[in-house]
Amino acid sequence: KAGVTQTPRYLIKTRGQQVTLSCSPISGHRSVSWYQQTPGQGLQFLFEYFSETQRNKGNFPGRFSGRQFSNSRSEMNVSTLELGDSALYLCASSFLQGSYEQYFGPGTRLTVT
Amino acid sequence: AQTVTQSQPEMSVQEAETVTLSCTYDTSESDYYLFWYKQPPSRQMILVIRQEAYKQQNATENRFSVNFQKAAKSFSLKISDSQLGDAAMYFCAYRSAPQGGSEKLVFGKGTKLTVNP
Repeated sequence: KAGVTQTPRYLIKTRGQQVTLSCSPISGHRSVSWYQQTPGQGLQFLFEYFSETQRNKGNFPGRFSGRQFSNSRSEMNVSTLELGDSALYLCASSFLQGSYEQYFGPGTRLTVT
Repeated sequence: AQTVTQSQPEMSVQEAETVTLSCTYDTSESDYYLFWYKQPPSRQMILVIRQEAYKQQNATENRFSVNFQKAAKSFSLKISDSQLGDAAMYFCAYRSAPQGGSEKLVFGKGTKLTVNP
């Protein structure tokens, strides 16, 4: 069974631009969560989705948004990029909401210049 | 809000030796889950071991075991017979029990483990 995939793996953007990151969960998984990983702040929760509904959102500005499609694939969007948005963005999926184990993808490395 | 603290930014161990990584957490909840995740360099994060707070018995997965002290809010990871492949960042994480099903993980800052041959 294929693991969690994230595209693109690497991305370079300029301040002020917007970006969309994609996450395809493991087949059959319906829950998707997103995390931002930076050297300074560590791993921080962005949001989670289950059956196309956002169930929880972290403490991030409104420039960060996401959605989940009927096939459980998820996207996150960051508008008006800032230098501080440079990070590794990780996606995790699980079979059921409240499952013990979440499976992480390889991440998308976003660099904002 | 819950917080997770890993006080050891870096640790090193000799191959075949045992090492213990520390983690403390703060919460007012009585039911929750604790996890240790491993993130090898440039590779995906994987779950090493989990502990349900209502279980008194410490979890064990092969060479990995935890020392869960609920009253002290401590959750350390012991790696026995360390192998070169154990070298990675290790993250301690907290999750509330599924009331409404949230899977939000609160992570510590991580401990970088080096295994010396």
